[in-house]
Amino acid sequence: EPEVTQTPSHQVTQMGQEVILRCVPISNHLYFYWYRQILGQKVEFLVSFYNNEISEKSEIFDDQFSVERPDGSNFTLKIRSTKLEDSAMYFCASSEVSGGLSPQHFGDGTRLSIL
Amino acid sequence: TQLLEQSPQFLSIQEGENLTVYCNSSSVFSSLQWYRQEPGEGPVLLVTVVTGGEVKKLKRLTFQFGDARKDSSLHITAAQPGDTGLYLCAGASADSWGKLQFGAGTQVVVTP
Repeated sequence: EPEVTQTPSHQVTQMGQEVILRCVPISNHLYFYWYRQILGQKVEFLVSFYNNEISEKSEIFDDQFSVERPDGSNFTLKIRSTKLEDSAMYFCASSEVSGGLSPQHFGDGTRLSIL
Repeated sequence: TQLLEQSPQFLSIQEGENLTVYCNSSSVFSSLQWYRQEPGEGPVLLVTVVTGGEVKKLKRLTFQFGDARKDSSLHITAAQPGDTGLYLCAGASADSWGKLQFGAGTQVVVTP
């Protein structure tokens, strides 16, 4: 069964450094998402992306965050200058159509640890 | 922000027993998705419910979407140790581009 793949599985970075988290969504899916889950807390929405544009973003997704689909298969999340509070699991998800009508399939996440 | 409340937070039962997990909100959702999450892994989709009053079955799991599309339940019949996991509900509202609002989850432990 097709799946969403994320790399790396674990990223350790010094505070203030830039990180790029990578995702390969399911190939025929058109909508892409990033979520995060701080240890012990709920999964939180960050951003949705369709047709090379951000469709919706949360208050968490400030100017330090950006997303990109640099080619036909990858979908990336960049954090420009990381803070301690950015430490979390980051999940990528994709869906065939808008996620309200179509199930979202999640990757196994990247654990981001900021030192 | 639409809030999804899941109850109970934790459920420990013996193999063979039945259990029900609830997901409630004061808001209407266009769809509701149930996931199961293992430690260190991403949520794995179990089912999506879209229509008010809808009932879906997945082997021993029965999912129901409330008539008003504000609440949902997951019922497991004759639970097995392999059903152990964190069960999450997540709702999508009609006016968003797929943003899912997650509940905090119900940790289910089934002991042999």
